Amino acid sequence: GDSVTQMEGPVTLSEEAFLTINCTYTATGYPSLFWYVQYPGEGLQLLLKATKADDKGSNKGFEATYRKETTSFHLEKGSVQVSDSAVYFCALTGSARQLTFGSGTQLTVLP
Amino acid sequence: NAGVTQTPKFQVLKTGQSMTLQCAQDMNHEYMSWYRQDPGMGLRLIHYSVGAGITDQGEVPNGYNVSRSTTEDFPLRLLSAAPSQTSVYFCASSSRQLYGYTFGSGTRLTVV
Repeated sequence: GDSVTQMEGPVTLSEEAFLTINCTYTATGYPSLFWYVQYPGEGLQLLLKATKADDKGSNKGFEATYRKETTSFHLEKGSVQVSDSAVYFCALTGSARQLTFGSGTQLTVLP
Repeated sequence: NAGVTQTPKFQVLKTGQSMTLQCAQDMNHEYMSWYRQDPGMGLRLIHYSVGAGITDQGEVPNGYNVSRSTTEDFPLRLLSAAPSQTSVYFCASSSRQLYGYTFGSGTRLTVV
């Protein structure tokens, strides 16, 4: 079945540092790929998405590129802020058109 | 502009009690889903629906029932609560085009 693997957390960075959160996937066919963010005590919000190979999703300074050859969708941001502290989830929608999530990565940004 | 509304936000149940978690969306989305979130395990799919009158099981369906009589509503029923069902429950919906699922704010359930 479909699966998503995220890098182990938690991740702690200083403000203005570069962020990478690795995500790889296993799926049949051509899944759509997503990054969701969850702030403390809240539900999940869609951060960005990509629906086909080589697509780049971007939002709020975050970027991720759909790499079919490496089955990856790594999340990057050039300069993180304290307000980016949250849990980040990589996810895909496969043939069943339902979301399959990774385990999540807790990001803490220190001032 | 409500999006996905879940009620209640918090609930404490005794083992063996039953209850229904409510979920409603006002975006005319065809797809609706229920997930549970447990520490270190991400979100796991419980049940889902691709339209009114159509439901199917996800990864962890045991102990839960659903029905979809209208496009807007997708309630999740716990028939006999168990401590293993202590979790945070999220409802989500999406259009058929899958631009991205919209999530509710969650229900934190504790079974004692």
